[in-house]
Amino acid sequence: AQSVTQLGSHVSVSEGALVLLRCNYSSSVPPYLFWYVQYPNQGLQLLLKYTSAATLVKGINGFEAEFKKSETSFHLTKPSAHMSDAAEYFCAVSEGTSGSRLTFGEGTQLTVNP
Amino acid sequence: DAGITQSPRYKITETGRQVTLMCHQTWSHSYMFWYRQDLGHGLRLIYYSAAADITDKGEVPDGYVVSRSKTENFPLTLESATRSQTSVYFCASSSGGGNTIYFGEGSWLTVV
Repeated sequence: AQSVTQLGSHVSVSEGALVLLRCNYSSSVPPYLFWYVQYPNQGLQLLLKYTSAATLVKGINGFEAEFKKSETSFHLTKPSAHMSDAAEYFCAVSEGTSGSRLTFGEGTQLTVNP
Repeated sequence: DAGITQSPRYKITETGRQVTLMCHQTWSHSYMFWYRQDLGHGLRLIYYSAAADITDKGEVPDGYVVSRSKTENFPLTLESATRSQTSVYFCASSSGGGNTIYFGEGSWLTVV
């Protein structure tokens, strides 16, 4: 069975500061890992995904994430936060072979302070 | 690029009524999903479908019914709505494997 834990339901950073959102996963097979972003009253938009190619994955809006098998982690980072980054972020895992079903973490609400 | 559309976007219904949420995708994706989003729970899978006429339960299927007679449509029915089914419902689709799952804009359902 697959599962995801996002550490910190709320993260607050200053504009221009580093953004670090933590995600740990559990999977019985090599996983596919995803980060999605959700802006208020909208659907989920894919930020980036890991599908067993390069362990450092670059996504949209300057975000990137590193797959670390030894730590079962897939943390999301951005060097310099922008006000427009304020949103909820979801980490998700899929075992691929099970029809691409995603299991989501509970989400992290990112606040960016001016 | 129509993508994936959900209707209605907003619905208020009474306890005990039947409600159907519609989902339509234009990509011919084989996989379709229904998730519900609740505070403190993230998104939880209700039902999914691997192809037309093939559906399977997810994490929280009780009280819901799905069908998939055509590849592009995947309606979700609440047979007798309860207050605990007040939630935001997201439909999604994918071509399978590790490919991206694309989400609709969501349907906000309130059961009073």
